[in-house]
Amino acid sequence: GAGVSQTPSNKVTEKGKYVELRCDPISGHTALYWYRQSLGQGPEFLIYFQGTGAADDSGLPNDRFFAVRPEGSVSTLKIQRTERGDSAVYLCASSHYGTRPDTQYFGPGTRLTVL
Amino acid sequence: EDQVTQSPEALRLQEGESSSLNCSYTVSGLRGLFWYRQDPGKGPEFLFTLYSVGEEKEKERLKATLTKKESFLHITAPKPEDSATYLCAVQAGDSNYQLIWGAGTKLIIKP
Repeated sequence: GAGVSQTPSNKVTEKGKYVELRCDPISGHTALYWYRQSLGQGPEFLIYFQGTGAADDSGLPNDRFFAVRPEGSVSTLKIQRTERGDSAVYLCASSHYGTRPDTQYFGPGTRLTVL
Repeated sequence: EDQVTQSPEALRLQEGESSSLNCSYTVSGLRGLFWYRQDPGKGPEFLFTLYSVGEEKEKERLKATLTKKESFLHITAPKPEDSATYLCAVQAGDSNYQLIWGAGTKLIIKP
């Protein structure tokens, strides 16, 4: 069975440009999460989707960041007017929604470098 | 404030030298504690979930335990392929999805 996949694996862009990062979750997982990870740190929560809707976007740092999941499966994280401080590894995870704490399964990440 | 602290930051062991990694937590209403392994350039790989104090889980050379204030990841007779960063995360309170993460312990096993 396929795990969580993310594309591209690496993205280099220039300051001020727009980027899109894609996440394909595990089939059947209704919950999807985006995180950002800097070197030597644990993942930092960005946004959580339950189905098509963003149930919690409290971790998005500002309005340059936006994420969608139009059909309840694939998700795209969009970053406008990128800044050098946006450079990090962007991780996507998915889980099967339930009443117990859900195990989140992670993709390999997209390393974003803003020059 | 909910907090998760992992120690040590880094640990170097000889192959076969057993040791433990620590994850201390201060949260209101623990729902679950998760251990992940992360290799360089990869996403975290799920290892264990512990739901209640006293619970233990094992997988190959790894054993995770849970007390009221901390969790230990015991590694027995480690091999070089066990080298990785081990991350601990806690789910607490009313949330069934928010994870509070530690910064990880970088484990290096020398042959």
